[in-house]
Amino acid sequence: AQKVTQAQTEISVVEKEDVTLDCVYETRDTTYYLFWYKQPPSGELVFLIRRNSFDEQNEISGRYSWNFQKSTSSFNFTITASQVVDSAVYFCALSLTGGAQKLVFGQGTRLTINP
Amino acid sequence: NAGVTQTPKFQVLKTGQSMTLQCAQDMNHEYMSWYRQDPGMGLRLIHYSVGAGITDQGEVPNGYNVSRSTTEDFPLRLLSAAPSQTSVYFCASSNAGTGVINYGYTFGSGTRLTVV
Repeated sequence: AQKVTQAQTEISVVEKEDVTLDCVYETRDTTYYLFWYKQPPSGELVFLIRRNSFDEQNEISGRYSWNFQKSTSSFNFTITASQVVDSAVYFCALSLTGGAQKLVFGQGTRLTINP
Repeated sequence: NAGVTQTPKFQVLKTGQSMTLQCAQDMNHEYMSWYRQDPGMGLRLIHYSVGAGITDQGEVPNGYNVSRSTTEDFPLRLLSAAPSQTSVYFCASSNAGTGVINYGYTFGSGTRLTVV
């Protein structure tokens, strides 16, 4: 069975600080996909990134970056120069298929950026 | 494009009542799923579908039924509501994803259900 663990339940930082959200996953399959979603206070789920197990390249998108390390089964998410608008719950998820129809989610990390 | 539309946004049911949560997508996505979100537990998969006429159970299917008669619609039926089904329900749709460059993953805005 697959499992995703986000050990950080809540994180609070001051604006402009860098912050890393941890994600550790478990699967015996060699082909899998990892995701990050953002859930702002309004409640919707916003897709941030999908990474497949054969691509360990780090990804950067503006202030967001992701570090995928198969050796430690981790897919960590870093926000550089955090802003108040980054305050949200962030979910890491895993799927054995490319689509979103069978996602296994972590418990989520509530990130609060204080002005 | 409306994306994924869920109705209603809020609902209060009495124990034992039945109801259907509606989900519709206009992106011609093959895959659709229902998840429930409970505090401290992330989202858990209830049922999913890989195409019209094909459905399967997820992690927490008990007390729920689904059908997929068209590509666009994927309703979730609560057969006899129980307080344990109080949750926020999300519908999601996506295309196949594997090997597809412009894959799409979209969640609806959610239905907050309270069973009293």
